[in-house]
Amino acid sequence: DGGITQSPKYLFRKEGQNVTLSCEQNLNHDAMYWYRQDPGQGLRLIYYSQIVNDFQKGDIAEGYSVSREKKESFPLTVTSAQKNPTAFYLCASSAQGRGNQPQHFGDGTRLSIL
Amino acid sequence: DQQVKQNSPSLSVQEGRISILNCDYTNSMFDYFLWYKKYPAEGPTFLISISSIKDKNEDGRFTVFLNKSAKHLSLHIVPSQPGDSAVYFCAASATNAGKSTFGDGTTLTVKP
Repeated sequence: DGGITQSPKYLFRKEGQNVTLSCEQNLNHDAMYWYRQDPGQGLRLIYYSQIVNDFQKGDIAEGYSVSREKKESFPLTVTSAQKNPTAFYLCASSAQGRGNQPQHFGDGTRLSIL
Repeated sequence: DQQVKQNSPSLSVQEGRISILNCDYTNSMFDYFLWYKKYPAEGPTFLISISSIKDKNEDGRFTVFLNKSAKHLSLHIVPSQPGDSAVYFCAASATNAGKSTFGDGTTLTVKP
């Protein structure tokens, strides 16, 4: 079954610690994305990558970092510089990263900072 | 400055009736529009899309209408079913861009 796997589903961390969220896809998609969703709000783009070893900042990249060393994987690190990291994080992929291609989403990771 | 707006946070309709969800955009570069559906504790799933060269696209019970001059699109669900109860996100993109811009979503409740 092809899809996107995000792990873990729930994540708790102490304030000041960096934390890495995992995202793996077996759809053979070139492009991958990270979004943040806060209550009552839409999806805001953090980072995206259209090809391996390349990525671009989205609208709210400050305090986050990513890597794209493999086509299947696009991990997101929430650093201690992110002022309000508690949120629901969604990873997505699309075939070639063009705007007319639908994105396929994982089921998200809910991050809580204690 | 929100480029994609869904002005109704929620909508409630009776089973069997029509549901109409609205979306407005401001960026003239957007030429492709998508609707996604999201159930609680799950990621969004793609529902239907429309290119700016069309004004209507239909897929079963779902129809999307695009009014380019008004920068407005709407999703019609006919007939509405209780299983359609979910959050619906409108997204807009430029075809050659590598990303989409999402609205804040509309929560649809279909009552039996």
